[in-house]
Amino acid sequence: NAGVTQTPKFRVLKTGQSMTLLCAQDMNHEYMYWYRQDPGMGLRLIHYSVGEGTTAKGEVPDGYNVSRLKKQNFLLGLESAAPSQTSVYFCASSSLAGGGRLTDEQYFGPGTRLTVT
Amino acid sequence: AQSVSQHNHHVILSEAASLELGCNYSYGGTVNLFWYVQYPGQHLQLLLKYFSGDPLVKGIKGFEAEFIKSKFSFNLRKPSVQWSDTAEYFCAVNEGFQKLVFGTGTRLLVSP
Repeated sequence: NAGVTQTPKFRVLKTGQSMTLLCAQDMNHEYMYWYRQDPGMGLRLIHYSVGEGTTAKGEVPDGYNVSRLKKQNFLLGLESAAPSQTSVYFCASSSLAGGGRLTDEQYFGPGTRLTVT
Repeated sequence: AQSVSQHNHHVILSEAASLELGCNYSYGGTVNLFWYVQYPGQHLQLLLKYFSGDPLVKGIKGFEAEFIKSKFSFNLRKPSVQWSDTAEYFCAVNEGFQKLVFGTGTRLLVSP
């Protein structure tokens, strides 16, 4: 049981290049999330997905696109990278909350460190 | 929208000192609360969580947190820290259904 995995672990891009980050989870979770972590700003939600084939915007969605074609995978795309997108990107997943809970705990991947020059 | 404040950005303690990290949230309705820890170079891991019931929650590695509804607070405590507790700590609260809002984090350095 690998939990949440992310590919790649590190990447350097030039301004204007594109790339896709892959997140995979093997816990059969319904919900998946993409965050960016910047010093002094905590984690900010970029996009999330409530199930296969559905996505929604988070707090900082501009410049990113996502897709959830399979339940276990959640892709984050940067179409034209900018230096402001230099960050550490974390993927997370969670199961559907029940029993009166509003949310369940989120399980995080190891992160992708992206540098845009 | 929900917001989370962690007022201590950096904390430095000696081993065996007691720890208390503050966390305040803004929304006063039903909340689910979490503390996560991020050790250097690693991903976030859950320390403890509160959904309902006993407001004093015990987590892993000797950590505990107390939910005080009247103060909108969920402070993290540990009676005696160890060097291995050096990490960044994040408080999080649900925003509506199935989403979390994170605080900006507190970096804890424990000197041996």
